[in-house]
Amino acid sequence: DIEMTQSPSSLSASVGDRVTITCRASQSIDIYLNWYQQKPGKAPTLLIFAASSLQSGVPSRFSGSGSGTDFTLTISSLQVEDFATYYCQQSYRTPRVTFGPGTKVDFK
Amino acid sequence: QVQLMQSGAEVKKPGSSVKVSCKTSGGDFSTYALTWIRQAPGQGLEWVGRIIPIAGKPNYAQKFQGRVTITADGSSTTVYMEFSSLRSADTAIYYCARTSCSGNKCYFANWGQGTLVTVSS
Repeated sequence: DIEMTQSPSSLSASVGDRVTITCRASQSIDIYLNWYQQKPGKAPTLLIFAASSLQSGVPSRFSGSGSGTDFTLTISSLQVEDFATYYCQQSYRTPRVTFGPGTKVDFK
Repeated sequence: QVQLMQSGAEVKKPGSSVKVSCKTSGGDFSTYALTWIRQAPGQGLEWVGRIIPIAGKPNYAQKFQGRVTITADGSSTTVYMEFSSLRSADTAIYYCARTSCSGNKCYFANWGQGTLVTVSS
């Protein structure tokens, strides 16, 4: 299986901050990388697919970049509703997808 | 508008089985992959298996082979996941998710609300 890691595992930030989360794959996955947001008690929701494509309806303050093994999710100006846990997921080995361990973003 | 509606919470004894359903509406049921993903309390997301109804043959994560069975019923546009020989480590929220693809870049755009399965004596 392709192992996914994320850093940091958690971070504290304030409204308006620029937040960057990184995701690394154990082997090259081209741009087969998706990002999800999960709030407590809810199912994950898709933010970014194919490393940098914004899902319809997702605010433009979210952006993704990277290819190969290293990827980044950036929130340009953190809003109250963005406090959540973020997961990356590789689809290179579909159907055997794997997720990163998650990054929790909470209030500073 | 694709919607996935899962069955309700279950409490099971160790060694027993559970069957969770995921009713789909909107979109083409037969040609899209339906995937099961689980999340243990306070933990991350783990792929369990998936089925493409028109293809019929499911795929399972190696660690669950022999204990999980995923089936699809086209007449009711419902996918089922049955888990047997349950143990406490199987306590988790089980999500169904539908795969969408942009070219060959696939992702989970639609998720069910989740079904909590608690395994306890």
